[in-house]
Amino acid sequence: AQTVTQSQPEMSVQEAETVTLSCTYDTSENNYYLFWYKQPPSRQMILVIRQEAYKQQNATENRFSVNFQKAAKSFSLKISDSQLGDTAMYFCALGGSQGNLIFGKGTKLSVKP
Amino acid sequence: EAGVTQSPTHLIKTRGQQATLRCSPISGHTSVYWYQQALGLGLQFLLWYDEGEERNRGNFPPRFSGRQFPNYSSELNVNALELEDSALYLCASSLKGLAGGPTYNEQFFGPGTRLTVL
Repeated sequence: AQTVTQSQPEMSVQEAETVTLSCTYDTSENNYYLFWYKQPPSRQMILVIRQEAYKQQNATENRFSVNFQKAAKSFSLKISDSQLGDTAMYFCALGGSQGNLIFGKGTKLSVKP
Repeated sequence: EAGVTQSPTHLIKTRGQQATLRCSPISGHTSVYWYQQALGLGLQFLLWYDEGEERNRGNFPPRFSGRQFPNYSSELNVNALELEDSALYLCASSLKGLAGGPTYNEQFFGPGTRLTVL
């Protein structure tokens, strides 16, 4: 069975600082993809960043980057220069051969002024 | 380009009734996914449709069903509603998903339908 675990239910960070959200996963598949989605209070889920498991290089998207440790099955998200608009629920998700995404339970991030 | 749309925004039903939720995918997307987001449980996968066929199903009872129409829009039906069905139901669409292959296509989510069962 595929699982995704986010061990930090809530986190807070001061504006302009850096924060790291943790995610671990388990899968028996060799070919899979990992995602971080953001769900602001308005509810619309949006993709933050995507990582292909076969790529060793960590994905980056502007202020967002990941630390992908395949052997440890770890996929953390680093947000640099945090902004008030980053306040949201962040979900780690695993995509494999079944078509659907497996989501973690989320981390509620609050960015404080 | 229009995003994924869902209707209605809110739906209030009583226990035992049936609920129908609708989703229109992004133009050009053939795959539609349904997820249930209940408080404290995260997002749970319900159903995946692609080109009119059910491709995969999550661990939900048969009273959760749906279909996909020729224009790729989709309906989720929940029969014999129970109190614990109260949740936000999210629809997502993507370019064609490959059965037996990895889910590499980004899934774009709609705003959701909030179902409340009284």
